[in-house]
Amino acid sequence: DQQVKQNSPSLSVQEGRISILNCDYTNSMFDYFLWYKKYPAEGPTFLISISSIKDKNEDGRFTVFLNKSAKHLSLHIVPSQPGDSAVYFCAATSPSNDYKLSFGAGTTVTVRA
Amino acid sequence: GAGVSQSPRYKVAKRGQDVALRCDPISGHVSLFWYQQALGQGPEFLTYFQNEAQLDKSGLPSDRFFAERPEGSVSTLKIQRTQQEDSAVYLCASIRLNPGLAVSYNEQFFGPGTRLTVL
Repeated sequence: DQQVKQNSPSLSVQEGRISILNCDYTNSMFDYFLWYKKYPAEGPTFLISISSIKDKNEDGRFTVFLNKSAKHLSLHIVPSQPGDSAVYFCAATSPSNDYKLSFGAGTTVTVRA
Repeated sequence: GAGVSQSPRYKVAKRGQDVALRCDPISGHVSLFWYQQALGQGPEFLTYFQNEAQLDKSGLPSDRFFAERPEGSVSTLKIQRTQQEDSAVYLCASIRLNPGLAVSYNEQFFGPGTRLTVL
């Protein structure tokens, strides 16, 4: 049963524009959410996270928004750069889950020059 | 190196063959996770160690899968009598602190993975 869902398998955006990636979850026990970035033949690398006590977290060009009532989060990348082309995974966890991560299926972002 | 390393990076096995995948976590990292990533999917949890103790193996798909971490550092994931459905990338991740003691979600570092192809 997929507890974290990324319904858009791919996203193409022009360099300099905003990329918006969406993620939905079903488990109300999740209290911490993370975005990972993955290049081919490499492991996922941590990008940004948000605790359930917040609704926004910003780090440079990356902002994550959390809507707990809708069980929805999004990642905004502004401005998008060619190096942002990668697969982005949304993940969720909780202390009761021993912090093991539940991942979405990923969204492949392609930034066009 | 300073990161999580995994070996081999690629493994081709004939159906029915046993395989062993190795993970070297970051030195001093207490907790270690194994994930399986099928093609086009996100990683899925397999098992979790805290030091040498395997605290959760609920994600192992069958009794053909076995993981160990005898000295609390290097871990090996063994798959017996491999099947085609075992073909996936196997990811290892380590985390510095005991998860129950501090919030350190951000410090779960992943290795590059082992791509297993079963023919």
